[in-house]
Amino acid sequence: QKEVEQDPGPLSVPEGAIVSLNCTYSNSAFQYFMWYRQYSRKGPELLMYTYSSGNKEDGRFTAQVDKSSKYISLFIRDSQPSDSATYLCAMSRLTGTASKLTFGTGTRLQVTL
Amino acid sequence: DTAVSQTPKYLVTQMGNDKSIKCEQNLGHDTMYWYKQDSKKFLKIMFSYNNKELIINETVPNRFSPKSPDKAHLNLHINSLELGDSAVYFCASSHSTDTQYFGPGTRLTVL
Repeated sequence: QKEVEQDPGPLSVPEGAIVSLNCTYSNSAFQYFMWYRQYSRKGPELLMYTYSSGNKEDGRFTAQVDKSSKYISLFIRDSQPSDSATYLCAMSRLTGTASKLTFGTGTRLQVTL
Repeated sequence: DTAVSQTPKYLVTQMGNDKSIKCEQNLGHDTMYWYKQDSKKFLKIMFSYNNKELIINETVPNRFSPKSPDKAHLNLHINSLELGDSAVYFCASSHSTDTQYFGPGTRLTVL
């Protein structure tokens, strides 16, 4: 069993839709939870970062963490064609003076006009 | 004024060759990382250095050797390249255990 499971998609939605992206994890040692966005042939770019259960909102993006269920979500409101990318969930454990990120396999999102 | 930069962007080489990828960050971070992203887009950590000291060393073949001349640079040297080494390699940096910022990636193709 992988430590982090993420539906690879692809997910296709019309412009303006609400998008829900999800990951589950099995390792209780994960302390921090992140969502990265990766455009084609680019590096991952941090979208959201949280460490506690609950919701965190930033503009059109809301990250949700449920540690009791080992489940995290990213919601995108009013989706735009520019949101078309691969979304990677990531979880970290601290290892001394570094943090070890474990990524999901990524969900490819296509927002159509 | 790119935060995390990598060179080269593309690298095409023959099996058995030795090659290096360079990474530099100008964010003042003290921790740097190398990740490998395979053809299925799965991103996996390989190494991490903090202030030139190796902190994380995943189960990577010893043909891969990271070198950190100072805390702003982390290079990756690969000996005796194999077909399976073809991937995109990403460098990242952070301030200690904080958020990691990724470079643009180096696409390695081994023929």
